[in-house]
Amino acid sequence: QKEVEQNSGPLSVPEGAIASLNCTYSDRGSQSFFWYRQYSGKSPELIMSIYSNGDKEDGRFTAQLNKASQYVSLLIRDSQPSDSATYLCAVNGGRGTGTASKLTFGTGTRLQVTL
Amino acid sequence: EAQVTQNPRYLITVTGKKLTVTCSQNMNHEYMSWYRQDPGLGLRQIYYSMNVEVTDKGDVPEGYKVSRKEKRNFPLILESPSPNQTSLYFCASRVGPGPYEQYFGPGTRLTVT
Repeated sequence: QKEVEQNSGPLSVPEGAIASLNCTYSDRGSQSFFWYRQYSGKSPELIMSIYSNGDKEDGRFTAQLNKASQYVSLLIRDSQPSDSATYLCAVNGGRGTGTASKLTFGTGTRLQVTL
Repeated sequence: EAQVTQNPRYLITVTGKKLTVTCSQNMNHEYMSWYRQDPGLGLRQIYYSMNVEVTDKGDVPEGYKVSRKEKRNFPLILESPSPNQTSLYFCASRVGPGPYEQYFGPGTRLTVT
């Protein structure tokens, strides 16, 4: 089982719709969770971080965390063509596991926003 | 402007010719990492450093070396590059090893022929 799993996509949504991106992780003790956006050939750009269960909103982006289900998601409202990119989920290892310093990335979900 | 810089951005070299990719951050971060990114494999950590003179292997360290003589700089050294090291490389930094946000450099696309 991969440590951080994402559906590779592509996930295709029409302009103006809500895009929902999902991520599951295997380390139950994980403490912090991040979403990065990466355009082709460019570096990952941090868009959201979430540390506690529930929702966190920032503009058109909402991150959702459910530690019991080991699941984190990213919702993008009013999707725009400029949101077309690969979205990477990253998880920081939990305390006591020896991996507190490690940030593990999923392989990403490619999002396509169509006109 | 807070940033992570890398040089060069693009490099084509031949097998066995030693090279160094530089990385520098101006955010006074303690923790720095090198990653490589390959299609279908995602981002894989090569080496990391928790502070000056403290470095350790990541998931794919073979064929690479690093050093951390100053807090701001974390160069990646390929002493004898091989074609399987052709990849997109990213340097990254964050405040410390805990649950902190991590920021990436612009990337270095390396081709080894």
